[in-house]
Amino acid sequence: KAGVTQTPRYLIKTRGQQVTLSCSPISGHRSVSWYQQTPGQGLQFLFEYFSETQRNKGNFPGRFSGRQFSNSRSEMNVSTLELGDSALYLCASKISGSQETQYFGPGTRLLVL
Amino acid sequence: GENVEQHPSTLSVQEGDSAVIKCTYSDSASNYFPWYKQELGKGPQLIIDIRSNVGEKKDQRIAVTLNKTAKHFSLHITETQPEDSAVYFCASEGTSYGKLTFGQGTILTVHP
Repeated sequence: KAGVTQTPRYLIKTRGQQVTLSCSPISGHRSVSWYQQTPGQGLQFLFEYFSETQRNKGNFPGRFSGRQFSNSRSEMNVSTLELGDSALYLCASKISGSQETQYFGPGTRLLVL
Repeated sequence: GENVEQHPSTLSVQEGDSAVIKCTYSDSASNYFPWYKQELGKGPQLIIDIRSNVGEKKDQRIAVTLNKTAKHFSLHITETQPEDSAVYFCASEGTSYGKLTFGQGTILTVHP
């Protein structure tokens, strides 16, 4: 079974631009969570989607948004990019909404110049 | 909100020695505790997890213990090998399904 895939793997943007990252969960998984990983703040939860509905949201500004499609694929969008948004963005999927193992993708490395 | 503290931040051992990483959590509602290993350029990979109704769990050279009263849990790796070198993260999940709160990570180096 294929793992979690994320595209693109690397991205360079300039301040003020917007970016969209994509995540395809493991087949049969309906829950997708997004995390931001930086050297200073570590791994921080952004939001979680289950059955196309955002069920949880972390402490990030409204510039960070996401959505989930009927096939469970998910996208996250960051508008008006800031230098501090440079990070590794990870998505993780699991089978359902209950407490289960989250399987992570390889991440998208975003550099904001 | 939930807070997870992880120690030590770096750990250096000789091949064959044991390694122990400890975490404490703040939210008494937390009841799921996974451990992840992250190698350079890769996403975190689950190595073992434990739920609050269990005190200890083992999988070959890896074991995790949980003390709910004291709100701490630990990862034990025995007979370490150079390929165990990586960054290890503990995490907790409570009533906010899908939200893992991570510790700051431990850089484990196993010297041949």
